[in-house]
Amino acid sequence: GENVEQHPSTLSVQEGDSAVIKCTYSDSASNYFPWYKQELGKRPQLIIDIRSNVGEKKDQRIAVTLNKTAKHFSLHITETQPEDSAVYFCAAVGRSYGNKLVFGAGTILRVKS
Amino acid sequence: DARVTQTPRDKVTEMGQEVTMRCQPILGHNTVFWYRQTMMQGLELLAYFRNRAPLDDSGMPKDRFSAEMPDATLATLKIQPSEPRDSAVYFCASGMGSGRWNEQFFGPGTRLTVL
Repeated sequence: GENVEQHPSTLSVQEGDSAVIKCTYSDSASNYFPWYKQELGKRPQLIIDIRSNVGEKKDQRIAVTLNKTAKHFSLHITETQPEDSAVYFCAAVGRSYGNKLVFGAGTILRVKS
Repeated sequence: DARVTQTPRDKVTEMGQEVTMRCQPILGHNTVFWYRQTMMQGLELLAYFRNRAPLDDSGMPKDRFSAEMPDATLATLKIQPSEPRDSAVYFCASGMGSGRWNEQFFGPGTRLTVL
């Protein structure tokens, strides 16, 4: 079945630095790649997504890049702030799996001030 | 600001008891997903529905778990009998059936503790 691997599992950065989280997926038919942010005790919230017909998407301080050939996509957060501290999940959905989201294991991001 | 709602938010029960969790999807959404989140397993998809019909429940232990959508505004997840290993946070999510239907919006979750 679809498999999504996410790295690193934990990431600590200084406030103001950039953070990058990477995910790889196995299903070449995957066509939608969302990123969710989950703060402690809260629900996962969609922060950005990208579809397979686009290579990069930006929204203020966050961006996502997609390399279909290599089957990996990355989340980039610039000018990190303490409120960016959370668990981030990547996910992928592919036509061959009934359009279900398959999630990565998550990355704990700590932004130190 | 439309949101998915879930009840109860917290549930503590004893092993062997029946547990029912409820979810109200966002009005107009026709896909509903049930996830379980634990530290060890992360976010696991248990079941999902489109237009109230179950499409996939392969992630769900069939002997004790059941999921239904009695109507378009209510989805339920039942565990009978519950076991300590069922302790987790259960999230419901909903999405639209066309266009940007891949987007899923999560409810606040039900934190289940089985003693």
